[in-house]
Amino acid sequence: KQEVTQIPAALSVPEGENLVLNCSFTDSAIYNLQWFRQDPGKGLTSLLLIQSSQREQTSGRLNASLDKSSGRSTLYIAASQPGDSATYLCAVRPLMDSNYQLIWGAGTKLIIKP
Amino acid sequence: DAEITQSPRHKITETGRQVTLACHQTWNHNNMFWYRQDLGHGLRLIHYSYGVQDTNKGEVSDGYSVSRSNTEDLPLTLESAASSQTSVYFCASSERLAGGSTGELFFGEGSRLTVL
Repeated sequence: KQEVTQIPAALSVPEGENLVLNCSFTDSAIYNLQWFRQDPGKGLTSLLLIQSSQREQTSGRLNASLDKSSGRSTLYIAASQPGDSATYLCAVRPLMDSNYQLIWGAGTKLIIKP
Repeated sequence: DAEITQSPRHKITETGRQVTLACHQTWNHNNMFWYRQDLGHGLRLIHYSYGVQDTNKGEVSDGYSVSRSNTEDLPLTLESAASSQTSVYFCASSERLAGGSTGELFFGEGSRLTVL
């Protein structure tokens, strides 16, 4: 059974630092992996989606990588800003599940200190 | 721009009452989903639909129902609200997984329901 883990659960860093958020999954048979951002009291915003055949995706200051063999994805945030403060969730879409439902991590709460 | 709209955004109701949460998407997506989000449990799938007249149970479907009469809407009904159903509810949609589609998931802003 696919399990998705995000460590740490919370992270606090000073503004301007480059940082990496981690997402681990137990089964490498995935269709794709998606990173989301959630602000307090808001819905989830899709940040990046990586297909199983891809190694990375980039959007602005964000870069997501995927290493299926090791069961890991990382979300790299360059030159962090206070506005990046949010909870970041990753979700894996299993390849062998006939319903292709997403399996969710619990999220990493990120605080960027001014 | 395409979007997903949920209503109401906030609702307080009493135990035993019927409640319907609306979800309307303008993405023209075939797939629609309802999740609930609770502290300590993360996101859990309630019901989902792959198209008009299609509905399926998720992992926490007891006490909830959905119907899909058109592409745009998937209302979620709590037949007899219970305090355990106090939660934040999110509607989401995606393209069908076919023809190279990624199935990227898009969410609404959420509906906060309190059952007293």
